Amino acid sequence: DSGVTQTPKHLITATGQRVTLRCSPRSGDLSVYWYQQSLDQGLQFLIQYYNGEERAKGNILERFSAQQFPDLHSELNLSSLELGDSALYFCASSVKHGSTDTQYFGPGTRLTVL
Amino acid sequence: GIQVEQSPPDLILQEGANSTLRCNFSDSVNNLQWFHQNPWGQLINLFYIPSGTKQNGRLSATTVATERYSLLYISSSQTTDSGVYFCAVRNGGSQGNLIFGKGTKLSVKP
Repeated sequence: DSGVTQTPKHLITATGQRVTLRCSPRSGDLSVYWYQQSLDQGLQFLIQYYNGEERAKGNILERFSAQQFPDLHSELNLSSLELGDSALYFCASSVKHGSTDTQYFGPGTRLTVL
Repeated sequence: GIQVEQSPPDLILQEGANSTLRCNFSDSVNNLQWFHQNPWGQLINLFYIPSGTKQNGRLSATTVATERYSLLYISSSQTTDSGVYFCAVRNGGSQGNLIFGKGTKLSVKP
């Protein structure tokens, strides 16, 4: 158990809908990262938050947004869902924000868009 | 950006065999992690190894940063070792995100 929790484990929804994925980092970790794993793109970085502030953006679509709350949990919002958004979404956390930190991954949320 | 290549893409072993997985990266890194993704999709940390050698049970890893590669050794493989092994790197700067290779899919047969 990495100490990072994600809910829900599975999510099935229809095209055009909006969903929210939730992540709680390990106790004491200030940084949260979101990654998407799809069959064709592999594991890709979406966005990073550090202590409530957006730190870095990767290949995140405009239909997607995220935030980190004062209690450090984070939510990833996906809207106007398309079939291609079906993927495994991971949250990871680390103590700081720098490149030498170890990242620990949650169990993921498997999103299926029908 | 930095490129991460893993080889081989697929590996089939008989239980008890040893294997070596390789990760090449195109630029200097200050962070390298190895992960095992089990058949249920969970990403499990194996090693944080930007340089040097580490061992954990039947697994060990070596990173030669100056030559831009890392190796993961699995000895006396077991069926529970099956899954996909990922190498991921970071090359500094203000962004801390990991850049993943495409992985090596390992199948261990009883």
